[in-house]
Amino acid sequence: KQEVTQIPAALSVPEGENLVLNCSFTDSAIYNLQWFRQDPGKGLTSLLLIQSSQREQTSGRLNASLDKSSGRSTLYIAASQPGDSATYLCALNSGNTPLVFGKGTRLSVIA
Amino acid sequence: EAGVVQSPRYKIIEKKQPVAFWCNPISGHNTLYWYLQNLGQGPELLIRYENEEAVDDSQLPKDRFSAERLKGVDSTLKIQPAELGDSAVYLCASSIGGATNTGELFFGEGSRLTVL
Repeated sequence: KQEVTQIPAALSVPEGENLVLNCSFTDSAIYNLQWFRQDPGKGLTSLLLIQSSQREQTSGRLNASLDKSSGRSTLYIAASQPGDSATYLCALNSGNTPLVFGKGTRLSVIA
Repeated sequence: EAGVVQSPRYKIIEKKQPVAFWCNPISGHNTLYWYLQNLGQGPELLIRYENEEAVDDSQLPKDRFSAERLKGVDSTLKIQPAELGDSAVYLCASSIGGATNTGELFFGEGSRLTVL
């Protein structure tokens, strides 16, 4: 059974810092991994999707990497801004099983 | 292009009452998902539809929960009767393909249920 762990559970950084959010998983037989952002009281917004054959994806100040052999993915946020404050969730698609989510990392960027 | 639309956004009911949530997926998306999210947790799948067929409902508590997607577009999730532990956010998502497809999931804003 796939298990997804996100560390840290919460993170507070000053504005302008570069930061890394971590996601680890137990079963490397995945089809893709997706990073989401969730603002309080809102739904999930898709940030990046990495296919199993890819190593990384980039969108603006965000870069997500995938290392299946070590069961890890990271989300790198460059030059953080207060508007980046949210909960970030990673989710794994392993085929004929439900998309498995981590519990998320709650990020606060302090101005 | 419109995203996934859910209603109502908020619902407060007393225990043992029924409640229903509605979802309209992104146009052209054949796969529709209902997820449950408790506070501080990641979403958990309740049911997945491929067009009008429920292909994964193993996590749906069938004694009180039901769902339908009659024409393969909109979907309704119903709880009857609601219990205190059902208080959560109910999220709807859609994607172009099924779980084995490498398609991206898009979520609605969610329906927050409070059972008193």
